[in-house]
Amino acid sequence: NAGVTQTPKFQVLKTGQSMTLQCAQDMNHEYMSWYRQDPGMGLRLIHYSVGAGITDQGEVPNGYNVSRSTTEDFPLRLLSAAPSQTSVYFCASSYSVQTEAFFGQGTRLTVV
Amino acid sequence: EDQVTQSPEALRLQEGESSSLNCSYTVSGLRGLFWYRQDPGKGPEFLFTLYSAGEEKEKERLKATLTKKESFLHITAPKPEDSATYLCAVQASGGGSNYKLTFGKGTLLTVNP
Repeated sequence: NAGVTQTPKFQVLKTGQSMTLQCAQDMNHEYMSWYRQDPGMGLRLIHYSVGAGITDQGEVPNGYNVSRSTTEDFPLRLLSAAPSQTSVYFCASSYSVQTEAFFGQGTRLTVV
Repeated sequence: EDQVTQSPEALRLQEGESSSLNCSYTVSGLRGLFWYRQDPGKGPEFLFTLYSAGEEKEKERLKATLTKKESFLHITAPKPEDSATYLCAVQASGGGSNYKLTFGKGTLLTVNP
């Protein structure tokens, strides 16, 4: 099992550009989520999904869109990149609400 | 609002020198408290889940405990390979936050040989 796979690992964007961060899991988990990690701050929840076709906002959703068309994939879209979105992004999945989350290796995004 | 405070921010130990990391939390109703380990450039790796006060879990040199206000991660006779950032997270029960994990800022542990 590969677990949670994120692509790309590194990305540099110019302000105003759009892009999609990919996340795929092969554990048949219903729950998936996106976090961002910034220096001096804890991981913060951006969006999450409790199953295919169902998504909801987390703590810091502005500037990001998600969709969940399959159980395996949960892409995160940046609509118009801003320097404030420079961060490390982590995708996570879990079997249920109360079980542990498995994290991907992260995408380091720089917006210039 | 759910809050998690970890202390100390950084801890430097000699190999074999036991110590504890603290995670204080404020949550309306605790569904679960999670401990993760994060190595540089990697994603968090799950260690433990604690669900109720008085619960304890152990894994190798690590032992996690839980009270109604805080959790401790005890590290016994640490080795250099235990060096990492340790993250604590809480999940509240009920309402719109039933899936949100609130993370602390972490404790950076360095174990010198």
